Amino acid sequence: DTGVSQDPRHKITKRGQNVTFRCDPISEHNRLYWYRQTLGQGPEFLTYFQNEAQLEKSRLLSDRFSAERPKGSFSTLEIQHTEQGDSAMYLCASSLGGLAPSGANVLTFGAGSRLTVL
Amino acid sequence: KNEVEQSPQNLTAQEGEFITINCSYSVGISALHWLQQHPGGGIVSLFMLSSGKKKHGRLIATINIQEKHSSLHITASHPRDSAVYICAVRSTNYGGSQGNLIFGKGTKLSVKP
Repeated sequence: DTGVSQDPRHKITKRGQNVTFRCDPISEHNRLYWYRQTLGQGPEFLTYFQNEAQLEKSRLLSDRFSAERPKGSFSTLEIQHTEQGDSAMYLCASSLGGLAPSGANVLTFGAGSRLTVL
Repeated sequence: KNEVEQSPQNLTAQEGEFITINCSYSVGISALHWLQQHPGGGIVSLFMLSSGKKKHGRLIATINIQEKHSSLHITASHPRDSAVYICAVRSTNYGGSQGNLIFGKGTKLSVKP
């Protein structure tokens, strides 16, 4: 396993278009997180899955944003009708939660998907 | 005021120096993470702490729960340590949510040879 993979690494789109990002977590990790990071800022939490269940959504996640993890493995984050303010790095992370051995809940991050909305 | 504050924002050091990065938080937490972010976005988790002290190689992380403060120390710093170091807390204010990490803005470290 090569860690958390995100695709695409960089997406340039015009305002109003829809974009979708994919995250493939570490295979045995049951928890998957999406974060957004803008320049000079720390990441901000967007949403979190345990297996296929979306357990929490940030107020940052407007109706234009939707995330899925249909089989409890990979996840997609879709942004509809993109706006220039959506330009950011979208980070995915995964962890092994619950009754797990030492080291559980340590996050492993992907390299991120950078979105530029023109 | 941010719930997680890091200092300094920027730090330049000479190779070999001992480095300390500080993180203060204002919420109740169940855990604190130190993360390292290299240019281009890749983030690596360095430590997860809920009490005491952890050491990994030249990196040491400490946390004082009563004072709501954590420090990340780098001994014998090297240019390859140059990165942004981010403190993140898992707040109990959100019902102990496992997902909602609150991040500091990061400390940009540059180690000169």
